[in-house]
Parts: sequence; C-alpha cells; structure tokens
Amino acid sequence: GENVEQHPSTLSVQEGDSAVIKCTYSDSASNYFPWYKQELGKRPQLIIDIRSNVGEKKDQRIAVTLNKTAKHFSLHITETQPEDSAVYFCAAGNTGKLIFGQGTTLQVKP
Amino acid sequence: ETGVTQTPRHLVMGMTNKKSLKCEQHLGHNAMYWYKQSAKKPLELMFVYSLEERVENNSVPSRFSPECPNSSHLFLHLHTLQPEDSALYLCASSQDRAPNGYTFGSGTRLTVV
Repeated sequence: GENVEQHPSTLSVQEGDSAVIKCTYSDSASNYFPWYKQELGKRPQLIIDIRSNVGEKKDQRIAVTLNKTAKHFSLHITETQPEDSAVYFCAAGNTGKLIFGQGTTLQVKP
Repeated sequence: ETGVTQTPRHLVMGMTNKKSLKCEQHLGHNAMYWYKQSAKKPLELMFVYSLEERVENNSVPSRFSPECPNSSHLFLHLHTLQPEDSALYLCASSQDRAPNGYTFGSGTRLTVV
C-alpha cells in the first residue's frame, strides 16, 4: 500500500545549526508534498509545501527539496531557534488524500 | 470562531459506552477527514468525505462510524471501543480533493477505560 518513510525519528541540534529531515514515498502518483509542525499539545500546522512540478521551494529559514525520480523530499531548517522545537511530519498526496510519515521530534538546544 | 473546531477536547469512556466526536469547519472547505494519532505512529487516515459523500474508508473497524450531514460538520460516532483505540483523533478540512494543505482541528484526546 501507500507508504511514507521519514527519518530521523529524533533530531537534536544546537541553536544556530541546520536541521534536515528526509522522507521517501512509495506512490508514484503523489504530486503534493506538505510539511507540518506540531508543537506539544497543539494541532499540526502547515509550514511549507511543494508540488511535483517544482524541485525546490524556500520560505525564510525553511526550504523543501523534491526529487521525483528518487521519490524523496527533504525539509531544511537553517539557523535553528529554540522555538523550532516540535514534531515535524512530512506527507505525500494526490487528489486530497495525504499519507503521513512517522514524524521527527526536533529539539533545538539553546 | 474561524478554522476547524473539535469537541470535546478530552473524552474518557468505558468500553460499553456510546459517544460522538464533533468537528466543525468555518473555512468554506468541501472536503473533511478523520485521522487517528497514536504515540510513536504516523497519522493514520480513517475517513475522507468530499461534498458530504464518503469517498474513503481506510479499513476502519465498524465500531467507528462517521457521519457528514453537511459540508461544515463531521461526526465520529463511537461504540464498544477497545483500550487500544485510545488516541488523539484529528479532524481536518481542505478545499476540493485536489492536493492542498489541510487545516487541522485541535483534536479530541480519547481515553478508553
């Protein structure tokens, strides 16, 4: 069945360093790849997304890259701050149904 | 209130009880979803509704019964649940079923005792 693998499951970085989270997906029909941030006790919130006709997208300190041939995509956070600490989920989808990865718990140490 | 609202925020129920979770969206979206979030597991898609019609039932046990009376409201009726059903149940909505980002509700934390 459709599957999204996300790595690593936990990531600890020093404030100011970069963080990279990687996902692979199985359904070649997927054409939409969002990333969600979920802070403790709160709802997942969309932070950035990319569509299959684009290879890279950037929004301030966050960027996402997509390699459709290899079926993987990555989230890059630069100049990390303590408020970036949260669980990050990738997802892959087509026609409205999103399949989520297992999540990455990011801890940014001051 | 704007966005996606879920009630109740917390629910404790016995295995023989019947309860319902409610989701309401004020975004004018026409697709709604139920997801289950358990510890150390990915978000699991349960049901998809598009224009009030159920278009996906992701092999969910019959003790979970969804209802979508209109495009703004979504319910999840629960009966004879098991302790392993304890989880955070998240509702989401989107505009059309074309791939777009979801807006999630805050979820209902369900504990089955």
